[in-house]
Amino acid sequence: GQQVMQIPQYQHVQEGEDFTTYCNSSTTLSNIQWYKQRPGGHPVFLIQLVKSGEVKKQKRLTFQFGEAKKNSSLHITATQTTDVGTYFCAEEQGAQKLVFGQGTRLTINP
Amino acid sequence: ETGVTQSPTHLIKTRGQQVTLRCSSQSGHNTVSWYQQALGQGPQFIFQYYREEENGRGNFPPRFSGLQFPNYSSELNVNALELDDSALYLCASSLTGDEQFFGPGTRLTVL
Repeated sequence: GQQVMQIPQYQHVQEGEDFTTYCNSSTTLSNIQWYKQRPGGHPVFLIQLVKSGEVKKQKRLTFQFGEAKKNSSLHITATQTTDVGTYFCAEEQGAQKLVFGQGTRLTINP
Repeated sequence: ETGVTQSPTHLIKTRGQQVTLRCSSQSGHNTVSWYQQALGQGPQFIFQYYREEENGRGNFPPRFSGLQFPNYSSELNVNALELDDSALYLCASSLTGDEQFFGPGTRLTVL
């Protein structure tokens, strides 16, 4: 079935550096949701993007949805140790079925 | 916290056994979805229940089955366990479909 590809798989940064994860699809996405999963935890909803070219911000987090609705990104400015975790994008494929990307695991050197 | 609870937290079974996992949805949520998350992977959709009826199924064999009760709590049953069934099983409840609230998960180990 259709999958969303997420890169990079891992990212290690120094505290204070920026971080970006990308989500790509070969077909048009209906919408994109982003989740964060802390080590040993469960996915926690961050945001949903629906409109072409949409940009949303949550404090240091910036979410973008591509103009063609085939890609999305999550950018974190000036990372903090509390940002550690795995970030997943997920497409909602009808009836609230979420298809998750592989995730980007973020580790931070304090 | 999301208000979604799951039990048990951890479970160890042997191949061929059967297991039942339970989920209590957030109050008022009429939709529950179950996901399997293997180590280092993203969650994989198993199936969804809406008002006690199955409302979509992922690429999982029939030995994965479920129930949703009138109070919207839910069960995931897995028969004839295989080693590859070892994973974190997550349930997620929702109402509008815009956001799914995940429970803490049940870690299943099959030996």
